[in-house]
Amino acid sequence: GENVEQHPSTLSVQEGDSAVIKCTYSDSASNYFPWYKQELGKRPQLIIDIRSNVGEKKDQRIAVTLNKTAKHFSLHITETQPEDSAVYFCAASTGEYGNKLVFGAGTILRVKS
Amino acid sequence: GAVVSQHPSRVICKSGTSVKIECRSLDFQATTMFWYRQFPKQSLMLMATSNEGSKATYEQGVEKDKFLINHASLTLSTLTVTSAHPEDSSFYICSATDDLNIQYFGAGTRLSVL
Repeated sequence: GENVEQHPSTLSVQEGDSAVIKCTYSDSASNYFPWYKQELGKRPQLIIDIRSNVGEKKDQRIAVTLNKTAKHFSLHITETQPEDSAVYFCAASTGEYGNKLVFGAGTILRVKS
Repeated sequence: GAVVSQHPSRVICKSGTSVKIECRSLDFQATTMFWYRQFPKQSLMLMATSNEGSKATYEQGVEKDKFLINHASLTLSTLTVTSAHPEDSSFYICSATDDLNIQYFGAGTRLSVL
């Protein structure tokens, strides 16, 4: 089955700097890759997603890149702000079983002001 | 985005009792809903896939008789933790998939079993 690895487990950056979180997946049939942000005690919120027919997607300060050949995808946050501090999860899906997601272990992002 | 409602947000119960958690898609119909368990500082662990009108599909190691799932309509799935014990204390989160196959999450239920 699918296995998703996420790095780093924790990331501290200075406000205004960029943050990059990387994930690799094992199933070449995976075609959908969402990123969720979860604040303490709250629900995961979808922040950006990418499908396998594109290599990059951007939404304001957030971007995701996908390398299908290498089976890895990354989240890029530019001009980080304290409110970006949270746990970020990557996930992968083949679109089967109702779009069942396999999640990475998560990255704790701390933005220091 | 779509809205998923989950109730209750927090429940405290005595050991041996059963607890029911509801998950509703408020503005869309969800053929498939998912139930996750999340331990402190850990990732989301999928427990089961809930399909409207059919039996749920449980992940390996999840006891189907312990965690009863019912998906009676396209907007409602319930998870019942039967004969709860302290080790069942956890954060349970549901999600629902919309017609674009995007998963939206409920706010979670923190279960504490005394």
